Amino acid sequence: AQSVTQLGSHVSVSEGALVLLRCNYSSSVPPYLFWYVQYPNQGLQLLLKYTTGATLVKGINGFEAEFKKSETSFHLTKPSAHMSDAAEYFCAVSGTGTYKYIFGTGTRLKVLA
Amino acid sequence: DAGVIQSPRHEVTEMGQEVTLRCKPISGHNSLFWYRQTMMRGLELLIYFNNNVPIDDSGMPEDRFSAKMPNASFSTLKIQPSEPRDSAVYFCASSNLAGKVDEQYFGPGTRLTVT
Repeated sequence: AQSVTQLGSHVSVSEGALVLLRCNYSSSVPPYLFWYVQYPNQGLQLLLKYTTGATLVKGINGFEAEFKKSETSFHLTKPSAHMSDAAEYFCAVSGTGTYKYIFGTGTRLKVLA
Repeated sequence: DAGVIQSPRHEVTEMGQEVTLRCKPISGHNSLFWYRQTMMRGLELLIYFNNNVPIDDSGMPEDRFSAKMPNASFSTLKIQPSEPRDSAVYFCASSNLAGKVDEQYFGPGTRLTVT
């Protein structure tokens, strides 16, 4: 069985500050992990994904995430927040032999001027 | 590529009416997913098709919901009769699994309001 927990349904950061969105997962198979972003009134867009290999994954718009197996975490970071980063972010887990994504409940990021 | 196309983008209907949502996946993708997003329940997978065949419909709420994929370029999600609790954003996503997990490409969604 797989599950995803996103800590913090709402996160506020100042423009230029570090963005840290937390995601913990559980999976009975080697996980594939994803971060998606959803802007208002739009569909979900892939930010980055981890399947195998390098555990530090870089994505679009300056975001990156690190797969830490020992901590069962896949936190999303960005060194410097921009106003355009305001959106909802979803972590998802899948795995070998399964087509299903299990999505977290989402974290709404607010960027303060 | 135009991406995943969904229509209509907004639908307002009265309780008891039939609603049909449409989806055109990305050309060449062999998998299609229908999701529902609500504030209370988040993103829920309703049904998954692979090569036009429904593989998993365990997420379909009840018999009022049905989905078809008559060919590789078109799918529908039908609700009959609709109820106010069906109000949600419905997303279609496609992927090219090819035996492995890969990213899903989401359409812009259909916002359904049932009054």
